[in-house]
Amino acid sequence: NAGVTQTPKFRILKIGQSMTLQCTQDMNHNYMYWYRQDPGMGLKLIYYSVGAGITDKGEVPNGYNVSRSTTEDFPLRLELAAPSQTSVYFCAISEEMNTGELFFGEGSRLTVL
Amino acid sequence: GQQLNQSPQSMFIQEGEDVSMNCTSSSIFNTWLWYKQDPGEGPVLLIALYKAGELTSNGRLTAQFGITRKDSFLNISASIPSDVGIYFCAGREPGTSYGKLTFGQGTILTVHP
Repeated sequence: NAGVTQTPKFRILKIGQSMTLQCTQDMNHNYMYWYRQDPGMGLKLIYYSVGAGITDKGEVPNGYNVSRSTTEDFPLRLELAAPSQTSVYFCAISEEMNTGELFFGEGSRLTVL
Repeated sequence: GQQLNQSPQSMFIQEGEDVSMNCTSSSIFNTWLWYKQDPGEGPVLLIALYKAGELTSNGRLTAQFGITRKDSFLNISASIPSDVGIYFCAGREPGTSYGKLTFGQGTILTVHP
């Protein structure tokens, strides 16, 4: 029971390249989230999903896209990477809708040069 | 969006000392949570608070949901080296859900043996 698995753990991109950060959960939770963490800052919500086929924007969605075709997977796509997207990305899940009790993956560190 | 002010930004203490940190917001929250992040890991939930005035303990950790609903406090008693890490407060505003949390900037805790 791994919980939340994120891949890759590290990646360096060139400006304008695209990539997908993968997030897979084995806890059968409906609610999944993508956060980004910048140095000295709190986490900011990018996108979230309340179930397969349903996604919505968070606080900082620009430059990102998501999909949720299954309960288990919630990939985050960067289409045209920019230096401002250099960050650590965390996928999280929750069992309940309104508690705020999140279970995070280990993170994916992305650098855009 | 909503901003949380978390203080102090960093603390350097001796093993065995008690630690206090707090978080304030400009508007009320329905939920306050405290997370800890170890280096290279995702945040882990420590304590969740759901009612104004609520005081909750988790081992050596105690957190309180402020009566005004605009602040929360975390205390760690008799610190040990494994308490090292970044502590984040997070809150959920009335009318929001699905884990759409606002995070503080974090308190970096260093414990000297």
